[in-house]
Amino acid sequence: QSVLTQPPSVSAAPGQKVTISCSGSSSNIGNNYVSWYQQLPGTAPKLLIYENNKRPSGIPDRFSGSKSGTSATLGITGLQTGDEADYYCGTWDSSLSADVVFGGGTKLTVL
Amino acid sequence: QLQLQESGPGLVKPSETLSLTCTVSGGSISSSSYYWGWIRQPPGKGLEWIGSIYYSGSTYYNPSLKSRVTISVDTSKNQFSLKLSSVTAADTAVYYCARHTVVFDWPHWGQGTLVTVSS
Repeated sequence: QSVLTQPPSVSAAPGQKVTISCSGSSSNIGNNYVSWYQQLPGTAPKLLIYENNKRPSGIPDRFSGSKSGTSATLGITGLQTGDEADYYCGTWDSSLSADVVFGGGTKLTVL
Repeated sequence: QLQLQESGPGLVKPSETLSLTCTVSGGSISSSSYYWGWIRQPPGKGLEWIGSIYYSGSTYYNPSLKSRVTISVDTSKNQFSLKLSSVTAADTAVYYCARHTVVFDWPHWGQGTLVTVSS
């Protein structure tokens, strides 16, 4: 059971837009930055979004991030078959446990 | 171009200690802006943070693994290491070493290494 809650799967057609949610609490998302990662099959995770809504160099602007309260959202527009992957949100949890936490991951299928 | 590479045994017996090393190239492990950490991913499952270390030696561990984990750094070799004791089958996973910022963004990852716990 992950501290951050993501939908197990989402799907959409090529060219369409999809959003992936990440729900937490005041001890994690509510008071800390959120980052998002893309994991293609058999590869290491890749940073897509950092500090809630910033994109590293080389990440296309089709990918966007936002945060409101204790939830965060990853948006992907102009879906491509190459976007099929698992997506994870992550943050720091500043509760007594003081822990790096990730969501359980969302499998994106581009139909 | 920063690169991280995990190395160590791919098979560990139950109750023994898992030992992995991460070699950093293309940058200094003594960079003041970054921390170095270990994350694992059991087959077909999500990501789990194991712990992190700063080049000075300060460490931060996942509370659920803290009693079994030791992370150390060797700045002279530009390496940091993971030891996980008393392993069981539940510790079978791909282990990644990675670099993260002070706000826990993880921009740089190794390719990962599969460690299987089995007799």
